[in-house]
Amino acid sequence: GNSVTQMEGPVTLSEEAFLTINCTYTATGYPSLFWYVQYPGEGLQLLLKATKADDKGSNKGFEATYRKETTSFHLEKGSVQVSDSAVYFCALGPTGRRALTFGSGTRLQVQP
Amino acid sequence: GAGVSQTPSNKVTEKGKYVELRCDPISGHTALYWYRQSLGQGPEFLIYFQGTGAADDSGLPNDRFFAVRPEGSVSTLKIQRTERGDSAVYLCASSPLGLETQYFGPGTRLLVL
Repeated sequence: GNSVTQMEGPVTLSEEAFLTINCTYTATGYPSLFWYVQYPGEGLQLLLKATKADDKGSNKGFEATYRKETTSFHLEKGSVQVSDSAVYFCALGPTGRRALTFGSGTRLQVQP
Repeated sequence: GAGVSQTPSNKVTEKGKYVELRCDPISGHTALYWYRQSLGQGPEFLIYFQGTGAADDSGLPNDRFFAVRPEGSVSTLKIQRTERGDSAVYLCASSPLGLETQYFGPGTRLLVL
């Protein structure tokens, strides 16, 4: 079945540091890949997505590239801000089953 | 425009009681999903509707859980004989046709005492 593995948090960085949050997946078929973000007290929001191998999703300075050969979709940002503090979820789908499969989330804390 | 809305935002109930959670999807979205998110975990799929019918209910944990979407818009998740282990945030999402990005509501936080 489908599964997503994310690096455990919390990840604590200073403002303007470089961010990488690792995500690897196992899937049948050709899934789309997503990063969702959950800010404190708010619902899940789509951050970026990629629908096929070698696609790069980007938004708000965040990027992730769909790597089929390494089954990975790592999230990166060159310079984080305090306002980026949130929980980040990697997800895949839909394939034959319409549901998204989520990782367990990675909490990012950015200190001024 | 209006996003996915869920009511109530919080629900506290006692073990053994019946609860209903409501989801109002984005207007025009035919696909609707329910997920459950336990503390420190990612959301887990419960059920998917395409229109009025449940196209995939394989994520429902047992027969105490049931969901309906009678007119293809608003959906209600119903939990009978609640147990303390049902405590979680219940998330609803919708998408235009079921193959695109899912848009999530703010969730209903259920606490079973």
